[in-house]
Amino acid sequence: DTGVSQDPRHKITKRGQNVTFRCDPISEHNRLYWYRQTLGQGPEFLTYFQNEAQLEKSRLLSDRFSAERPKGSFSTLEIQRTEQGDSAMYLCASSPDRVGDTQYFGPGTRLTVL
Amino acid sequence: GNSVTQMEGPVTLSEEAFLTINCTYTATGYPSLFWYVQYPGEGLQLLLKATKADDKGSNKGFEATYRKETTSFHLEKGSVQVSDSAVYFCALSTSHTNAGKSTFGDGTTLTVKP
Repeated sequence: DTGVSQDPRHKITKRGQNVTFRCDPISEHNRLYWYRQTLGQGPEFLTYFQNEAQLEKSRLLSDRFSAERPKGSFSTLEIQRTEQGDSAMYLCASSPDRVGDTQYFGPGTRLTVL
Repeated sequence: GNSVTQMEGPVTLSEEAFLTINCTYTATGYPSLFWYVQYPGEGLQLLLKATKADDKGSNKGFEATYRKETTSFHLEKGSVQVSDSAVYFCALSTSHTNAGKSTFGDGTTLTVKP
């Protein structure tokens, strides 16, 4: 068990550019979640995958955001035409498919949009 | 919808002092309750959890009891150490209705001085 990993850890981009983040969950975990955390606040849910199926998306996830989880393994989160308001920490978490199970979080990707 | 309200911080204590961080929640169904800790520059780590009413979660000297009647999950520690300085997040998850996604409070920053 190597834990949840995320890449890159930090990303600085200019407004209007596209960015893509990767998350590698714990290998036997079926569920994968993306959250966004801004300074001074708790993480906010963005989207959820059960294996390769994206089953829920938050209203926070505008049309500029897209997430995939091909083959139910790693996941990517892409933000198109970034805006300064997208600056945040993007967290990935995974969990087994059991009631009340703990979510295991990765270290996050910190995005700064200039 | 689900929500979590945490005691506002920051909280500053002397080493060996008693710690309480209040957390109350609103949820549909029967949530599981969690406390996560975030050390500077790191991701969220599960500190403890409780999955049903009257359960007590405990870890590293921290405790919290799931109180359904008061919808609370207050975090306590009898004697804090400098190494406990971190941000603490209370969270809930309702696996039955919300695919296990978590709702977080805004976090409470704890600083312990020697």
